[in-house]
Amino acid sequence: QSVLTQPPSVSGAPGQRVTISCTGSSSNIGAGYDVHWYQQIPGTAPKLLIYGNINRPSGVPDRFSGSKSGTSASLAITGLQAEDEADYYCQSYDSKLNAYVFGGGAKLTVL
Amino acid sequence: QITLKESGPTLVNPTQTLTLTCTFSGFSLSTSGVGVGWIRQPPGKALEWLALIYWDDDKRYSPSLKSRVTITKDTSKNQVVVTLTNMDPVDTATYYCAHRGSGVLYFDYWGQGTLVTVSS
Repeated sequence: QSVLTQPPSVSGAPGQRVTISCTGSSSNIGAGYDVHWYQQIPGTAPKLLIYGNINRPSGVPDRFSGSKSGTSASLAITGLQAEDEADYYCQSYDSKLNAYVFGGGAKLTVL
Repeated sequence: QITLKESGPTLVNPTQTLTLTCTFSGFSLSTSGVGVGWIRQPPGKALEWLALIYWDDDKRYSPSLKSRVTITKDTSKNQVVVTLTNMDPVDTATYYCAHRGSGVLYFDYWGQGTLVTVSS
């Protein structure tokens, strides 16, 4: 049972926009800790996609964007492409657990 | 350019102790604020944080694994070692080490991971 809750799967057609939610609690996201997002293509290591809720590392297309409100955060992907098919994980810090916490991951399927 | 690479056994017997080494380059673990963490991922499952060691040798452990995990560093060799005692088949996973930048709470560079299978 992950501390952060994500939908197990999302899907969209090429060109469409999809969002992936990440729900936490008052000891992590709601406590003000930032949310970060990772993309994991099957068989490879996770790659940092969004940090500090809204920031993209160099090289990440601006089709990817993040937001945070209250105890939740969201990752949005616009102009969906076949290469975006991957697992997406949110991550934050939990002050009650004193631990780095991850979501259960959301598998994105490009139809 | 920051790189990390995990090494260690691919197969361990139940009850044995697992020792994995993370060898890194492109940064120094003596730089203020920097850390190296270990994260694992059972086949088909989610990421799970295990431990993290800071530049000043401060250590943090996952509450669920705290009694079994130990993390150490050898700054001169650019290595971080994690040990996990009393291995069980449920510990079968790909183990990653990752760089945590100064003052941040995320992992910006990851190793390729190493799959460890626990089986007799």
